[in-house]
Amino acid sequence: DAGITQSPRHKVTETGTPVTLRCHQTENHRYMYWYRQDPGHGLRLIHYSYGVKDTDKGEVSDGYSVSRSKTEDFLLTLESATSSQTSVYFCAISESGGAGEQFFGPGTRLTVL
Amino acid sequence: GNSVTQMEGPVTLSEEAFLTINCTYTATGYPSLFWYVQYPGEGLQLLLKATKADDKGSNKGFEATYRKETTSFHLEKGSVQVSDSAVYFCAPRDLLNYGGSQGNLIFGKGTKLSVKP
Repeated sequence: DAGITQSPRHKVTETGTPVTLRCHQTENHRYMYWYRQDPGHGLRLIHYSYGVKDTDKGEVSDGYSVSRSKTEDFLLTLESATSSQTSVYFCAISESGGAGEQFFGPGTRLTVL
Repeated sequence: GNSVTQMEGPVTLSEEAFLTINCTYTATGYPSLFWYVQYPGEGLQLLLKATKADDKGSNKGFEATYRKETTSFHLEKGSVQVSDSAVYFCAPRDLLNYGGSQGNLIFGKGTKLSVKP
């Protein structure tokens, strides 16, 4: 299995609070991604990174920010959580970008009350 | 950018039945095509892929053929097992820029498969 961990695995928070999710990899892959998974929507890309300090927006980036200060860590921040951000969040990594295989982490289940 | 439509589930089959999950996409050009599988409580993992027209991807008894003329990449398996119960995602590669995301995957909504003994 690819070395990808996500923390926390489960989190319950209240509307308006900041939340940071962490993705950590031990594969030294260049590309990292954050997705959210919701019933009826499949997976939707939030943000991605193509190198240290190089990030870009995906399909559903509003309300989210990311940072990547080291190759191995990719942080997703919800500055002020809303109930619409209740979801399962997956991190993925890839060695060669969009054409290559993506390896997924185990997911973080976030509930915003 | 690209878009993808896959067969809605859930799909319920008996063990050893034949499986088809339809997937069609819209694209400018000829994107690489992927099928991912998600087992209960886990993240997604690559099942198979095809990178050019008429290529057939295969893995674990599953197959899918890149059909350029019908822009389809249907997933098939001749004899499903209980252990194949999972959610299956079709994912073409996005060839066009979307906020700079050229080359990223676009996932379908997923098809849940349940196989009964």
